[in-house]
Amino acid sequence: EIVLTQSPGTLSLSPGERATLSCRASQSVSRIYLAWYQQKPGQAPRLLISGTSSRATDIPDRFSGSGSGTDFTLTISRLEPEDFAVYYCQQYGSSFGGGTKVEIK
Amino acid sequence: QVQLMQSGAEVKKPGASVKVSCKTSGYTFNTYGISWVRQAPGQGLEWMGWISGYNGKTNYAQKFQGRVTMTTDTSTSTVYLELRSLRSDDTAVYYCARGDSGGGGLGYWGQGTLVTVSS
Repeated sequence: EIVLTQSPGTLSLSPGERATLSCRASQSVSRIYLAWYQQKPGQAPRLLISGTSSRATDIPDRFSGSGSGTDFTLTISRLEPEDFAVYYCQQYGSSFGGGTKVEIK
Repeated sequence: QVQLMQSGAEVKKPGASVKVSCKTSGYTFNTYGISWVRQAPGQGLEWMGWISGYNGKTNYAQKFQGRVTMTTDTSTSTVYLELRSLRSDDTAVYYCARGDSGGGGLGYWGQGTLVTVSS
């Protein structure tokens, strides 16, 4: 079973700053099977990115995904107030990473 | 529009079983599978498994094999999750989710069902 490790655990940033979140797999993951989600307290997760780099419907273009093999990245180019949340990567149809909390500095 | 409506909160004693339902609508049931994901209080997301809406084929996470059963009722477009031999660490919000129309990833989620295991 592939294990996904996200880092950092917590990212403290200010609105307008750039956020870079990492997801590292214990073995190679096909690009088409890597997704990112955002979750806010009390809500179900929301799909942001599928296939490593394809934004889901209505996701703003400040969110972007990249990577291949065992290293994947979610980038938020300029943080908006509504972006402070927890982010998870997932190998589609399998395990999730442990999450990265993006908090207001 | 695609909707996944889950059954209400449950309180169970250790050793008991729970069955959570996920009624789907807004799409052709047999064209998508449904995943189950749970989240313990203050913890991350945990993938439990997947069931095909086409033929009922299942793929369970190794951790839950032997203790979980996922089934479908095609007549009502409903998916069920049964978890047996409940322990206190099974206390969590259980979500059903469907694949996104545009590709991979879980694009549609139920509202979640809180299952509390307590003596």
